[in-house]
Amino acid sequence: QKEVEQNSGPLSVPEGAIASLNCTYSDRGSQSFFWYRQYSGKSPELIMFIYSNGDKEDGRFTAQLNKASQYVSLLIRDSQPSDSATYLCAVIPQGAQKLVFGQGTRLTINP
Amino acid sequence: SAVISQKPSRDICQRGTSLTIQCQVDSQVTMMFWYRQQPGQSLTLIATANQGSEATYESGFVIDKFPISRPNLTFSTLTVSNMSPEDSSIYLCSAGAGLGYGYTFGSGTRLTVV
Repeated sequence: QKEVEQNSGPLSVPEGAIASLNCTYSDRGSQSFFWYRQYSGKSPELIMFIYSNGDKEDGRFTAQLNKASQYVSLLIRDSQPSDSATYLCAVIPQGAQKLVFGQGTRLTINP
Repeated sequence: SAVISQKPSRDICQRGTSLTIQCQVDSQVTMMFWYRQQPGQSLTLIATANQGSEATYESGFVIDKFPISRPNLTFSTLTVSNMSPEDSSIYLCSAGAGLGYGYTFGSGTRLTVV
């Protein structure tokens, strides 16, 4: 079982809709969870991080964490074509300070 | 968040040679890491760069192939030694202040070995 799993996609969403990206992790003791956006040919860009169960909102982005079910999700409201990118979920396992990445989900927003 | 300058941005190297990649952070950070990313793939951690001591390497990566230095809290280098075409990849530096903070990435080094 991979430490961090994401659906590789591609995920296609119409412009203006809500895009929902999901991620599961295997280490129940994981403590920090991150979402990165990566445009083709560019380096990853940090969107949000979350530590506590529940929702964390930042503009059009909402991160959701459920430690009991070991999943973290990212919602993008009012999706724009500029949101088209690969979204990487990353987790810091228990006792570590390094990030472990999922394989990424490729998101396409259709005008 | 820390701002990271990474250079060179790209290079084409002959097999058997070595390339040193530099990573400069605009503020003191606790943690620095080196990653590799193959085209269309996710990020693979090479090692954690420890200030003033030997780097901590992940499984499959060894110091002789990827020596790392971190002389202070804002600077690190990764050397790719005795390169082969299989080393062609994007190499990324990441840094942050540790748990409770986000980690940011440099712009990456696109390496092609011919």
